[in-house]
Amino acid sequence: AQTVTQSQPEMSVQEAETVTLSCTYDTSESDYYLFWYKQPPSRQMILVIRQEAYKQQNATENRFSVNFQKAAKSFSLKISDSQLGDAAMYFCAYRSSFNDYKLSFGAGTTVTVRA
Amino acid sequence: DSGVTQTPKHLITATGQRVTLRCSPRSGDLSVYWYQQSLDQGLQFLIQYYNGEERAKGNILERFSAQQFPDLHSELNLSSLELGDSALYFCASSAASGSAKNIQYFGAGTRLSVL
Repeated sequence: AQTVTQSQPEMSVQEAETVTLSCTYDTSESDYYLFWYKQPPSRQMILVIRQEAYKQQNATENRFSVNFQKAAKSFSLKISDSQLGDAAMYFCAYRSSFNDYKLSFGAGTTVTVRA
Repeated sequence: DSGVTQTPKHLITATGQRVTLRCSPRSGDLSVYWYQQSLDQGLQFLIQYYNGEERAKGNILERFSAQQFPDLHSELNLSSLELGDSALYFCASSAASGSAKNIQYFGAGTRLSVL
């Protein structure tokens, strides 16, 4: 079974600054997908960014970017120019490319943005 | 708005009772996934349906069951409810093909409180 670990329960960032969230995973597969989901106080799960394991280029979505290190099984999320609306719980998730399409989630990191 | 609709938003019931949670996937999506989010267990995959058939099973209790109907909506049935079943239940859907095939879009969730 795939295990996803988020070692930072909480992170705090000043508005307009940058914060990086860590995620590591354990898998024996060579092809898979990684995701970051955001869960604001409304509880809605919102996709932030995704990365295909076969792509070496790191994914970027506006102020959000990832640092994907396949050999190290690491998938960190960088939030640049942090905004008050970025305050939320962030979950890292793994999805196999094979038969089992479920998402395996980490425990989450709560991000607080200071004005 | 993800396009995934879950009803009801909130459900309050007593131990021993049975409830049904409903999910309408995004238009055209054939896969439906159910997840449970609780304080002690985090986000856990329960079950997946694809075009009416069960595709994968996770940590779903025998007291829980699900089905997907010909119109592709899905229902999660929880019976003999216990206090520990109190949680946020999410439904997600994904496309069968195309660039969005590997992305799961989540509904707003149903918060179940068992008293």
